[in-house]
Amino acid sequence: AQSVTQLDSHVSVSEGTPVLLRCNYSSSYSPSLFWYVQHPNKGLQLLLKYTSAATLVKGINGFEAEFKKSETSFHLTKPSAHMSDAAEYFCVVISGGYNKLIFGAGTRLAVHP
Amino acid sequence: GAGVSQSPSNKVTEKGKDVELRCDPISGHTALYWYRQSLGQGLEFLIYFQGNSAPDKSGLPSDRFSAERTGGSVSTLTIQRTQQEDSAVYLCASSPLIGDDYEQYFGPGTRLTVT
Repeated sequence: AQSVTQLDSHVSVSEGTPVLLRCNYSSSYSPSLFWYVQHPNKGLQLLLKYTSAATLVKGINGFEAEFKKSETSFHLTKPSAHMSDAAEYFCVVISGGYNKLIFGAGTRLAVHP
Repeated sequence: GAGVSQSPSNKVTEKGKDVELRCDPISGHTALYWYRQSLGQGLEFLIYFQGNSAPDKSGLPSDRFSAERTGGSVSTLTIQRTQQEDSAVYLCASSPLIGDDYEQYFGPGTRLTVT
């Protein structure tokens, strides 16, 4: 069975500094992985997705993630945080047959001036 | 174009009452999903509809929960005899499931409060 583990429940950074949100996955086969973002009182928005093409995936708003099979990781990064990046981020794996998303517990990102 | 819409946006109900939550998916999307987001359980899958196939109900927490999708479009999630632990945000998503486009597009959710 597939699962994802987000290693940090809260991350706090200063504006202009790099962001790293960590995610490890467990899957019996090559997974499809996603990062979603949820701003306060807003719906879930897809940031980026990995579907076994390039291992370095670029998403919206300057975010990117690298799929590392040897480490079973799919960490989300951004070189320079912006105040508007403050939100909750979910690492997600899709189950076999594309019939449901399995969400990590989420990481709340705070960005300070 | 129009995204996934859900109604109502907020619902407060008394314990023991039945509630219906509605989801209008993106036109042409064949797959529709319901999820629940609650403080204690995070985001969890409830049910999945794909075309005319039998729905995957494996995530429904009890037999008080049911859902239907009429005409391959609008879906209704029904919770009978609501309990306080049903309080959560109920999210609907749809997906085209064409080729490698299986991204799920989420609606804004319905916040259910059971008093």
